[in-house]
Amino acid sequence: DIVMTQSPDSLAVSLGERATINCKSSQSVFHSSNDKNNLAWLQQKPGQPPKVLIYWASTRESGVPDRFSGSGSGTDFTLTISSLQAEDAAVYYCHQYYTAPRTFGQGTKVEIK
Amino acid sequence: EVHLVESGGGLVPPGGSLRLSCVASEFTFRSYTMYWVRQAPGKGLVWVSRITGDGSTTTYADSVKGRFSISRDNAKNTLYLQMNSLRAEDTAVYYCARAPLGSPFDSWGQGTLVTVSS
Repeated sequence: DIVMTQSPDSLAVSLGERATINCKSSQSVFHSSNDKNNLAWLQQKPGQPPKVLIYWASTRESGVPDRFSGSGSGTDFTLTISSLQAEDAAVYYCHQYYTAPRTFGQGTKVEIK
Repeated sequence: EVHLVESGGGLVPPGGSLRLSCVASEFTFRSYTMYWVRQAPGKGLVWVSRITGDGSTTTYADSVKGRFSISRDNAKNTLYLQMNSLRAEDTAVYYCARAPLGSPFDSWGQGTLVTVSS
């Protein structure tokens, strides 16, 4: 199974400041057949199911604010929230859909400082 | 809008059984591989099982293999998870989720809580 490791486990950021979350996969999730990284970022708020923010490592889901951005390739990925808003307090997961079984990172909790 | 609604969770003693259901609507259910993903209290997301659109292929996490069984009824647009020999470590919110081929999970239900305790 592909192991997804996120860092840090949690971070506290002031409103308007940048938040950066890293994700490393135990093997490459780059698919040469479509030239894409099969990596998504999910956001989960308390009591709610997860929601996709970013897929193909850097493509924002429709309706997701542009302060969210994804980058990286191969095995190393980053989710950046450029200017943290109160509603961004949540747990964020990276998720690989390159191969079965689909796996998730352990989650990074983002809090407002 | 895709709609997934789970039911069937509850409190069950160790060794007991439960059957979860997930009713799907607003999409062609038989065309999609469906998944069960669980989340223990305060923990992360873990894939449990999946089933192809025609029901011909099923896959399980090692932690549930031999105890859980996934199935679907495409005529009823319903996904099932039969859980037997339940253990305390199976306590979690169970989500059904849809994932188009080669794409991330794009739709989730609200989840149903399973608590295994005496």
